[in-house]
Amino acid sequence: GQQVMQIPQYQHVQEGEDFTTYCNSSTTLSNIQWYKQRPGGHPVFLIQLVKSGEVKKQKRLTFQFGEAKKNSSLHITATQTTDVGTYFCAARSGGSYIPTFGRGTSLIVHP
Amino acid sequence: EAQVTQNPRYLITVTGKKLTVTCSQNMNHEYMSWYRQDPGLGLRQIYYSMNVEVTDKGDVPEGYKVSRKEKRNFPLILESPSPNQTSLYFCASSEMSSGLIEYNEQFFGPGTRLTVL
Repeated sequence: GQQVMQIPQYQHVQEGEDFTTYCNSSTTLSNIQWYKQRPGGHPVFLIQLVKSGEVKKQKRLTFQFGEAKKNSSLHITATQTTDVGTYFCAARSGGSYIPTFGRGTSLIVHP
Repeated sequence: EAQVTQNPRYLITVTGKKLTVTCSQNMNHEYMSWYRQDPGLGLRQIYYSMNVEVTDKGDVPEGYKVSRKEKRNFPLILESPSPNQTSLYFCASSEMSSGLIEYNEQFFGPGTRLTVL
């Protein structure tokens, strides 16, 4: 099936530092969704990107979809301890309804 | 309250003893899915269903069965559990989209932590 590479696997930051996670695909994607999973919790939907070059913001979170629709990133500005968790991308391609999840990036924020 | 429920939340069992994990959603969603989550491997899809009586294999279906007799329920069945099925399991549901570009978000249940000894 489709492969979606997500990096890094882990990221330690000091509170107030920025954080970025990336998802990359070898094939063109029709859309990509981002989810957050708090420790001990379940994945929760954050956002969906559809258009080439699309940029969406949610407070300190910025989501981008690459021009070629093969990659996406999630950037958090000035991390807080409430940002702790694992961030997953979920990508679709070729008109398929079935998403492929990246392996996730676990964000650890040190106060 | 719109939600996906799973039961049990925790289960310790022994090899070969058949078990069922239930999943129910109250949002009238057509699409339901089961995932397993293992450290370093992310979420891997086991089975999915696009409507009643319509199910299909995901990426890791071996050792699992599902059924979709009612729209709201999507149980996961392990006929003969083995230790390599020790994992955290999530059920998810979403509305089916009318288009081919935008897809509706998936709502996840709270998870079932299964240990097979």
